[in-house]
Amino acid sequence: NAGVTQTPKFQVLKTGQSMTLQCAQDMNHNSMYWYRQDPGMGLRLIYYSASEGTTDKGEVPNGYNVSRLNKREFSLRLESAAPSQTSVYFCASSEGTPDLYEQYFGPGTRLTVT
Amino acid sequence: QKEVEQNSGPLSVPEGAIASLNCTYSDRGSQSFFWYRQYSGKSPELIMSIYSNGDKEDGRFTAQLNKASQYVSLLIRDSQPSDSATYLCAVTYGGSNYKLTFGKGTLLTVNP
Repeated sequence: NAGVTQTPKFQVLKTGQSMTLQCAQDMNHNSMYWYRQDPGMGLRLIYYSASEGTTDKGEVPNGYNVSRLNKREFSLRLESAAPSQTSVYFCASSEGTPDLYEQYFGPGTRLTVT
Repeated sequence: QKEVEQNSGPLSVPEGAIASLNCTYSDRGSQSFFWYRQYSGKSPELIMSIYSNGDKEDGRFTAQLNKASQYVSLLIRDSQPSDSATYLCAVTYGGSNYKLTFGKGTLLTVNP
């Protein structure tokens, strides 16, 4: 099993450009998440999908949109990138059933917006 | 306001010693608690989860939870140089088991 995979691994964007970060999991998990990690700020939840067909805002959703394409895939879209969105983005997944809320992380995408 | 506080460190221990990492949280409604290990430039790796008061042991790791004191800790016995990493405490908040808030992490260095 590959676990949680993310593409791309690295990306450089110019201000105003758009892009979609892709995430897929092969663990048959119900729930999926997007985080960003910035120096001094720690990991912060952007959006999550508790189950297929649902999405909810996390702590820092502004400037992002998400799509739960199917049970396996959860994408994060930046419509008009800003330098403040320079960060490392992690996708995670969990079973999402009682006492099985452990989240498993993908390898991350390092995004730079110039 | 939800907060998870950890000492940033660095915490330095000799090889073979016990490393003790601590975390406090502000949301009394938090239900699930996790410890992650993160090596520099890598993604967080789940070490332990704990859902009820008391101790939970897994190999060299023991997680301790005290909900009355809003305190969770991680003990690493027989510390190894390979344990050198940043340890992140994560706590659910807002009555949800999906929304995690993370502490900023404690950097642990195990000296040979």
